[in-house]
Amino acid sequence: GEDVEQSLFLSVREGDSSVINCTYTDSSSTYLYWYKQEPGAGLQLLTYIFSNMDMKQDQRLTVLLNKKDKHLSLRIADTQTGDSAIYFCAESINRGGTASKLTFGTGTRLQVTL
Amino acid sequence: DTGVSQNPRHKITKRGQNVTFRCDPISEHNRLYWYRQTLGQGPEFLTYFQNEAQLEKSRLLSDRFSAERPKGSFSTLEIQRTEQGDSAMYLCASSAYRGGGNQPQHFGDGTRLSIL
Repeated sequence: GEDVEQSLFLSVREGDSSVINCTYTDSSSTYLYWYKQEPGAGLQLLTYIFSNMDMKQDQRLTVLLNKKDKHLSLRIADTQTGDSAIYFCAESINRGGTASKLTFGTGTRLQVTL
Repeated sequence: DTGVSQNPRHKITKRGQNVTFRCDPISEHNRLYWYRQTLGQGPEFLTYFQNEAQLEKSRLLSDRFSAERPKGSFSTLEIQRTEQGDSAMYLCASSAYRGGGNQPQHFGDGTRLSIL
């Protein structure tokens, strides 16, 4: 079945690195995504990784995928106060040759303190 | 800005009324998705379209919910006889499907529905 789990809360100091973790259950996952949501707003796509990759780096963001353990992480380097938000992990599952709907975790609230 | 546009941003209505939301996707995107997000939860899939065809509906989409995308561009989501439990943020997303692979979904800012 499809289930995505995340820890609920993370607090880091400005300038430190943040690591947000996610586990998923469906081994058919094709793409795994990280979205950011600020209060009252929609979801902003941050980055995504194809399931045959181990790592993807994009400026301050590094995504690591351990397919054996079905574990995904998002590392934010030099965390800033503007990074305070809820971060959602999501999986897209390939069924019948096409990936469609996203299954989201409950989100991790990142609090950045001075 | 040519992102996903949703209207209205907020809707307050009395229980039992009908409401309709509109989503305008990114212009070159042929897939359009609706999700519902309740407080403290991640978005949950409701339905999606490829062009004008509705290809999948979640069991969350009860008989009171109907979605359309008549010309393969904008979409509407209607809720009839609203109930307290319908209070949520309704999110629309779009993506470009190019056969054999899917592009990421881009979300609008949502319509927040409050049922009195």
